[in-house]
Parts: sequence; C-alpha cells; structure tokens
Amino acid sequence: KQEVTQIPAALSVPEGENLVLNCSFTDSAIYNLQWFRQDPGKGLTSLLLIQSSQREQTSGRLNASLDKSSGRSTLYIAASQPGDSATYLCAVLYSSASKIIFGSGTRLSIRP
Amino acid sequence: EAQVTQNPRYLITVTGKKLTVTCSQNMNHEYMSWYRQDPGLGLRQIYYSMNVEVTDKGDVPEGYKVSRKEKRNFPLILESPSPNQTSLYFCASSLTGQQDSPLHFGNGTRLTVT
Repeated sequence: KQEVTQIPAALSVPEGENLVLNCSFTDSAIYNLQWFRQDPGKGLTSLLLIQSSQREQTSGRLNASLDKSSGRSTLYIAASQPGDSATYLCAVLYSSASKIIFGSGTRLSIRP
Repeated sequence: EAQVTQNPRYLITVTGKKLTVTCSQNMNHEYMSWYRQDPGLGLRQIYYSMNVEVTDKGDVPEGYKVSRKEKRNFPLILESPSPNQTSLYFCASSLTGQQDSPLHFGNGTRLTVT
C-alpha cells in the first residue's frame, strides 16, 4: 500500500533556529514529491517540487531533498521566523495511476 | 492572475439535498483533482481528471460525482449528501499531472451537512 508519513506531527522551536521536517513514503516508483504550506483555514501553497530524477531543490531559505532509495524527503528551513509558523505537508505523485498521496503534515510553531 | 477558483467558500445544507461545488482554473491545465481534508485523516483524493472527458477515482470516491466537459471546469457533485461528507474540500490543478508539474490549490470549500 502506498503511504506517506510525516514525523513529528508538531514542532515548536525558537526564532532563528535552522530546522528539518521529515517525510517518508513507501514505493519508490514516484513521479515527484511536493512540499506545501497551509495556514489555518486557508488553502495549500506550493513551496518546492522535486522530480523523481532530482536530489534537491532550493527556494530562498528553503531546501528540499529527495532520496528515493530510502523513501525519504526532508524540508530544511534556515533561520526560522515567526511567519514560518504553519502546517507543512508533503505529497507524493506516484507513477502508477497518477495518484497523489499526502502526508498528515507537521504543524510548525516558531516562538519569537 | 493565475488561479484556481472554488465556489462557494462555505456551504451548509441538509441530508439528501443535491449540491455542486464548482472549480475553475485559468491556467490551461490538463490535470485537475478534488480532495477532502478531515482532522486526523489529512488530505484524501476523491477524483482526478487527466484531461477533458477523462476522470478517475481517487481513494474516497463514494458519494461523489465529477465531470470534465471543458478543460477549465471540474465540478464536484454530491447527489445525496450525508453528514459524513461534512469536510473541507479542495480543488487543485497542474499543467500535465506529470513529474514536472506542481499542484495549484483553490482556497477551499467548507461543507456542513446536517
């Protein structure tokens, strides 16, 4: 069964710290993995997309990595700010049947 | 502005009364999909469409219908809503549904069925 898991479910860190969010998935036959941010009561905003042939993508203070062989992706946030507080979700697009499966998310809180 | 537009944002209805949630995108995307988000269960895919007149079931299609008669529109239809369909619904689209196409989401529709 294709599953996507995010641990921890919640994380609280002081402002300025660098942090890593984790996403693991079963079945390495993926098209891509995408990281999203969701603010309370809002839709999802795409942060980074890593294609299956890529190892990492960077956007500003964000860096996402992909290791298909181990079924893992990480989202690295540098110099965290209170405005980074949100729920972060990863989603895997599997090659078979073009199915997209989401992790349950990590709720991040950055303390001023 | 490139966007995915869902309507309505909020909807309260009664059991059994047919309803439609509309979704429209202005980016000429081929791939569109619907999700529901529930506490503790995360986002689950209801239906998706790779192109006009092509639709497929996701993980939780029971009780829902979709149609894709035009590229830009992908309505979600609940023929006979039940309280267990109370949820937050999201529509999303991407250029091709393939590996280099990020998903773009609408702002969501919060549905309550009493």
